Amino acid sequence: DTGVSQDPRHKITKRGQNVTFRCDPISEHNRLYWYRQTLGQGPEFLTYFQNEAQLEKSRLLSDRFSAERPKGSFSTLEIQRTEQGDSAMYLCASSFDPNHGYTFGSGTRLTVV
Amino acid sequence: RKEVEQDPGPFNVPEGATVAFNCTYSNSASQSFFWYRQDCRKEPKLLMSVYSSGNEDGRFTAQLNRASQYISLLIRDSKLSDSATYLCVVNDNNAGNMLTFGGGTRLMVKP
Repeated sequence: DTGVSQDPRHKITKRGQNVTFRCDPISEHNRLYWYRQTLGQGPEFLTYFQNEAQLEKSRLLSDRFSAERPKGSFSTLEIQRTEQGDSAMYLCASSFDPNHGYTFGSGTRLTVV
Repeated sequence: RKEVEQDPGPFNVPEGATVAFNCTYSNSASQSFFWYRQDCRKEPKLLMSVYSSGNEDGRFTAQLNRASQYISLLIRDSKLSDSATYLCVVNDNNAGNMLTFGGGTRLMVKP
């Protein structure tokens, strides 16, 4: 499969726990994006990497959120001390030329109980 | 004001109907534009790019009006399988070339 892969597909966690999600982009794509989507809304930008450098972070990304992309390949998004408001679909996307749009992974659906 | 605004719908249309969605964007410096389709509980998938001259892909036609800052999508001869949420997307040509998504317009095609 040469698409964008995300793991896990679903995650249920108790409030206060830490969670980590992984994204494997399309191998030729140097740009990687994380978005969050809640029911009835469009995806909202969280953060962006070009190769291994994290170049942009949204105001939505509180101190409890951290993302990495070591070696410019896969990326991880960690949420510490999860809150119920963190429940959402976390989407990863990659691109080579954003003027041609992104390719999204299937997402990780997080439920905080 | 949201950067990209869409009527959330739902638009309920019979099979075979023609339906049009509009979207407005606030950043006049935006450079590239797209329509994405999203099925329930699935990821968004690129439907088509939107070019200044307008473009067509089968039953789908996209138009861009830079002066008025709106984008449209026309679907002819609607199929049941067209039922989905259609997301209007704008590349603001900012530092990261991030895409900004509208909230989506839901389309329900009925037999």
